[in-house]
Amino acid sequence: QQQVKQSPQSLIVQKGGIPIINCAYENTAFDYFPWYQQFPGKGPALLIAIRPDVSEKKEGRFTISFNKSAKQFSLHIMDSQPGDSATYFCAARDNYGQNFVFGPGTRLSVLP
Amino acid sequence: DSGVTQTPKHLITATGQRVTLRCSPRSGDLSVYWYQQSLDQGLQFLIQYYNGEERAKGNILERFSAQQFPDLHSELNLSSLELGDSALYFCASSDRGPGNTIYFGEGSWLTVV
Repeated sequence: QQQVKQSPQSLIVQKGGIPIINCAYENTAFDYFPWYQQFPGKGPALLIAIRPDVSEKKEGRFTISFNKSAKQFSLHIMDSQPGDSATYFCAARDNYGQNFVFGPGTRLSVLP
Repeated sequence: DSGVTQTPKHLITATGQRVTLRCSPRSGDLSVYWYQQSLDQGLQFLIQYYNGEERAKGNILERFSAQQFPDLHSELNLSSLELGDSALYFCASSDRGPGNTIYFGEGSWLTVV
């Protein structure tokens, strides 16, 4: 129940494409869902986050869609650029323990 | 810059040795988390501290231990090191507000030879 599933494991798109990364969870105690972007050799950096009372949140070219009934959420990257090539992690916060559970990550490559 | 400081950035040591990794959380953050990331792997949660007390434990080996001090900095101690312990170790911190999230340091690269 503490798992967050993430797919796909890797993704290759052309510049300008719209990669979509999907995550799913079971634990209804999760109350906050951030996404992190990690470049090789660097720490994960917070990208965008959403609460379950909101169905969509957009920040720049990044959009989170949230489906509370299905317990699924996804990240869309509009007009993707080679500089977006990184590993993306979805996460969920457990409201009881204030702990964060991470998905296994998606390695995105945006081709020029 | 996330505000989370980790030292050392790189460390090379021999099998069987012991090392200590240090983390200073963001100013005001009471929670500290430790994660291990092996090559091309995900983030494996090790342990969480809140205001000096252990809050949650993940897949942390018995050879590993951690603590959070009164000034809120934290140390992760790795002993009897094995080749498989070579990884990037991340510290993260958070406050406890309703909008809190965690912010990661740049990590400590540990290579065991």
